[in-house]
Amino acid sequence: KAGVTQTPRYLIKTRGQQVTLSCSPISGHRSVSWYQQTPGQGLQFLFEYFSETQRNKGNFPGRFSGRQFSNSRSEMNVSTLELGDSALYLCASSPQPEGNSPLHFGNGTRLTVT
Amino acid sequence: KNEVEQSPQNLTAQEGEFITINCSYSVGISALHWLQQHPGGGIVSLFMLSSGKKKHGRLIATINIQEKHSSLHITASHPRDSAVYICAVNTGNQFYFGTGTSLTVIP
Repeated sequence: KAGVTQTPRYLIKTRGQQVTLSCSPISGHRSVSWYQQTPGQGLQFLFEYFSETQRNKGNFPGRFSGRQFSNSRSEMNVSTLELGDSALYLCASSPQPEGNSPLHFGNGTRLTVT
Repeated sequence: KNEVEQSPQNLTAQEGEFITINCSYSVGISALHWLQQHPGGGIVSLFMLSSGKKKHGRLIATINIQEKHSSLHITASHPRDSAVYICAVNTGNQFYFGTGTSLTVIP
C-alpha cells in the first residue's frame, strides 16, 4: 500500500504570495489532518477533513485554509505569506476522524518564506 | 499554558539501557498518541492509547487516565532508537503536542 504523499517536498516563496500544498492519503483513508512544525512552537494542529468536510480547526488565522476532494486528497492553502509561516507542513491520514485511529504521516513540505 | 508536558527534554543512554519518557496532560482526551520523528522530519506513529497498556517489540506504552499521565518505555535500547519522541493528545476536536524528547543512544 502506498504511503501518504505530500507535494512538493520543498518550496520557497516571497512574503505576500500564496501557496498551495497537496496531500494524498493512504488508499481507503478518509481523514486527512494538517500540522505545522517550527523549531519555536513545535507541532501544531491546523485542521482536519473527513469525507470532504472540515471537522476540526486549530488556532490559526483565516489565511490558512484547506479542502478535501471526493477522492480524499487534500490541499492546504496559505495566503498573504508571512516570514513566520516558514515551517515544515505535515499531513496525516487515518481511517477514522478525530484522532481515534493511528495516524500515518507524510514526509512533509518544507516551506521557506523570504 | 501547555496542555501537554513531556520529560525529560533530552536523554542520552548507553546501548542496552531501559528508557522511560513521560507525558502529562491537562485536558480531557479521547486518545493519546506516541510519535517518533527521525532527523529529516518523517514522523511515525508508535502507539495510540485510550486506556491500559500496549506493547510492540521493545516498546511499551502505558496510560493512566485518572492521573492524566502516560509513559513510553524502550527496553534494550539501540542506537537506531535515537530520535525525537513526541506525545500528542486528542480531545475530540483538537490535537495538542508535547515539545518532544530527544533521545540519543550511544553504542
